[in-house]
Amino acid sequence: KNEVEQSPQNLTAQEGEFITINCSYSVGISALHWLQQHPGGGIVSLFMLSSGKKKHGRLIATINIQEKHSSLHITASHPRDSAVYICAVRWGYNTDKLIFGTGTRLQVFP
Amino acid sequence: GAGVSQTPSNKVTEKGKYVELRCDPISGHTALYWYRQSLGQGPEFLIYFQGTGAADDSGLPNDRFFAVRPEGSVSTLKIQRTERGDSAVYLCASSLVPETEAFFGQGTRLTVV
Repeated sequence: KNEVEQSPQNLTAQEGEFITINCSYSVGISALHWLQQHPGGGIVSLFMLSSGKKKHGRLIATINIQEKHSSLHITASHPRDSAVYICAVRWGYNTDKLIFGTGTRLQVFP
Repeated sequence: GAGVSQTPSNKVTEKGKYVELRCDPISGHTALYWYRQSLGQGPEFLIYFQGTGAADDSGLPNDRFFAVRPEGSVSTLKIQRTERGDSAVYLCASSLVPETEAFFGQGTRLTVV
């Protein structure tokens, strides 16, 4: 069993739809990251959070530490949101490494 | 530089050869991370530096892999006797200090033929 699991693996949506991507983890963490990866490999950090909720533009990230679960929401989705979204947890015990999920491939059609 | 820079962007090498992959972190960032991403997978941790020292190298798959950061800025990932299974995108990231936001480079795509 992977330490970080994401769902769904693939997601298609029409422009304007509300998107939710889920992340569950099984290890103790100090923080959770949501990352965006476009074709060609470039990774951009969207959020780093350790509790509660963060919002940036049309993106919202939430985390429930007790349930070991986080969600990334995209409101009013747009074709330019098409990318792979990756959840990564910072395993905070005597190390600073990130453990990544396998990603959710999102395609938003006009 | 403005971001994390990795060179080369692509490297094709023959099985058994030695390769070096370079990472230039954001100026002033003390923490530097190497990850490896195989096709269709999420990145996997290799090694992380705090300053010049390797704080955690538990992700290096075997003794063919080695990384250095002699002056606490640029890092080089070295792979000896490359194997076809080493083919992947090697990603570097840096952060100002540990446990803060990490900034990723574009990666080096290594192909071993």
